[in-house]
Amino acid sequence: GDSVTQMEGPVTLSEEAFLTINCTYTATGYPSLFWYVQYPGEGLQLLLKATKADDKGSNKGFEATYRKETTSFHLEKGSVQVSDSAVYFCALSSADKLIFGTGTRLQVFP
Amino acid sequence: DTAVSQTPKYLVTQMGNDKSIKCEQNLGHDTMYWYKQDSKKFLKIMFSYNNKELIINETVPNRFSPKSPDKAHLNLHINSLELGDSAVYFCASSQDAGTISTEAFFGQGTRLTVV
Repeated sequence: GDSVTQMEGPVTLSEEAFLTINCTYTATGYPSLFWYVQYPGEGLQLLLKATKADDKGSNKGFEATYRKETTSFHLEKGSVQVSDSAVYFCALSSADKLIFGTGTRLQVFP
Repeated sequence: DTAVSQTPKYLVTQMGNDKSIKCEQNLGHDTMYWYKQDSKKFLKIMFSYNNKELIINETVPNRFSPKSPDKAHLNLHINSLELGDSAVYFCASSQDAGTISTEAFFGQGTRLTVV
């Protein structure tokens, strides 16, 4: 079945460092891809999405490009802030539902 | 004005009890979901309803029964609670389950602790 694989965390960075969180997927057909973020004690919020190959989703300085050839949707940000500390989930749409990766915790220190 | 709201936010109960979690969305969406997040943050879909009809029912024990009185509400009733049911339960909604690019909006979660 369809699945999403994310790098294990936690990812620990200093403020202003460059961030990459890897995400690869397995799917039949052409799913849409998403990154959701979960701040402590809150629900998930959509961060960005891409609906077809080579699309780039972006929001709040975060970017991810839908790479069909490598089945990847890596999340990047050029300069992280302490306020970016959260758990990040990669997800794909499959048969009318979202399938999530295991989540990657990001900790940013001043 | 909260888009997807769940109650209660925290629920502590003893094994064997029956409990319900309520969810309401004011977005006018047709589809609602229940997800379970375990202690390792892994999220797994349990159910989804489209316009009050059940469309997804993953491998979930019969002790879990969703009820959708109208398309704005999806409640989750759990019978005979077990220790392994302890988790955070998230309600979510989306405009149309048939549109795979549609994003889902999540509630704040209900942290259920069974003792």
